[in-house]
Amino acid sequence: EIVLTQSPGTLSLSPGERATLSCRASQNVYSRYLAWYQQKPGQAPRRLIYGASSRAAGIPDRFSGIGSGTDFTLTISRLEPEDFAVYYCQQYGSSPWTFGQGTKVEI
Amino acid sequence: QIQLVESGGGLVKPGGSLRLSCAASGASDTFSDYYMTWVRQAPGKGLEWLSYITFSPTTITYADSVEGRFTISRDDAKNSLYLQMSSLRVEDTAIYYCATATFWGGLDFWGPGTLVTVSS
Repeated sequence: EIVLTQSPGTLSLSPGERATLSCRASQNVYSRYLAWYQQKPGQAPRRLIYGASSRAAGIPDRFSGIGSGTDFTLTISRLEPEDFAVYYCQQYGSSPWTFGQGTKVEI
Repeated sequence: QIQLVESGGGLVKPGGSLRLSCAASGASDTFSDYYMTWVRQAPGKGLEWLSYITFSPTTITYADSVEGRFTISRDDAKNSLYLQMSSLRVEDTAIYYCATATFWGGLDFWGPGTLVTVSS
């Protein structure tokens, strides 16, 4: 099983600042099959990034993903008020699929 | 795009059983073209992937935490996904989400979730 470790656990920032979230895998993620999701309180998660760097439909271009192998990063270039949420990475290249434990981006 | 709605959650005693359903709708997407998956989230905790089922010919995979207790299935004629849960434990208490998936894109469309509470 691939274990995904996200850091930091909590990121305290202000609107307009840049957010950098890390996701490290215990083994190589096959074919860069790594996704990022955003979850707000009381809502289902929403996919932001798939294939490590492809933005999902309707996702603003301030969200970007990069990485391969075992190290992946989600960057939010300029935080908007609606971006304060919990972010999860997930690998779907190997069974069982696994999620990271989440990074909370707070004001 | 496809819309998903889960149902069947509720309160159940430890050792009991419950069947969750996930109904899909959407004019432009074909349910049978998607992998389908279940994910849960315990109160105040992170996301836990549980199981996926591919399209025909079907392949099914489970997380170790539910293998042997939970059974995923789909009925493409009814645009529906199911999760039969048995031998439920207190630690199975969570919101259960169904989601569509592709082998290349992860989990793209999610339902709003249904709450399962396992308590005596």
